[in-house]
Amino acid sequence: GQSLEQPSEVTAVEGAIVQINCTYQTSGFYGLSWYQQHDGGAPTFLSYNALDGLEETGRFSSFLSRSDSYGYLLLQELQMKDSASYFCAVRGDTGGFKTIFGAGTRLFVKA
Amino acid sequence: DAGVTQSPTHLIKTRGQHVTLRCSPISGHKSVSWYQQVLGQGPQFIFQYYEKEERGRGNFPDRFSARQFPNYSSELNVNALLLGDSALYLCASSLVAVQETQYFGPGTRLLVL
Repeated sequence: GQSLEQPSEVTAVEGAIVQINCTYQTSGFYGLSWYQQHDGGAPTFLSYNALDGLEETGRFSSFLSRSDSYGYLLLQELQMKDSASYFCAVRGDTGGFKTIFGAGTRLFVKA
Repeated sequence: DAGVTQSPTHLIKTRGQHVTLRCSPISGHKSVSWYQQVLGQGPQFIFQYYEKEERGRGNFPDRFSARQFPNYSSELNVNALLLGDSALYLCASSLVAVQETQYFGPGTRLLVL
């Protein structure tokens, strides 16, 4: 089957750096994606890693280790507006194309 | 350019009824996926359609069905509604079936009484 594990909650202060980890189990692995969702809003795409290593997009970076079935999202220079839920997601191909999302990590940014 | 649009935004139904949710992808996108999101959980994959064909199906009962039209818009149908079907239904579009970047619509919030 396919499953993802990520912490349920993370709290950090404004200006700090926070790392959200994700471990996954899937077959036919294509890559690991990250999405952000504010309360009442729709998920928005943040980043995608298909190969091992670090991808950087502004204040956000994402890392993947395929051998460890592990990835993380790194948020730097935290701002209050970063308070949201963050989901890791994998796409497998067992039984057709499926994108499986983790349960989400709720990030609270404090002043 | 308009993003992914969904209709209706909110819907109230009673148990046993049928519901049809609609989604229009971003212009040029040929793939549409449907997700169910219960409060406090991640989106659960229901279906993916690409070029009007079903390309993936999640672990949902046969009461759930979908289709994609020649203009790439899509409908999700749910029959014999149960209280547990109350959720946010999200539609996401992408250029092709295996593109990782998915663009989500605002969702349809369904309440089953």
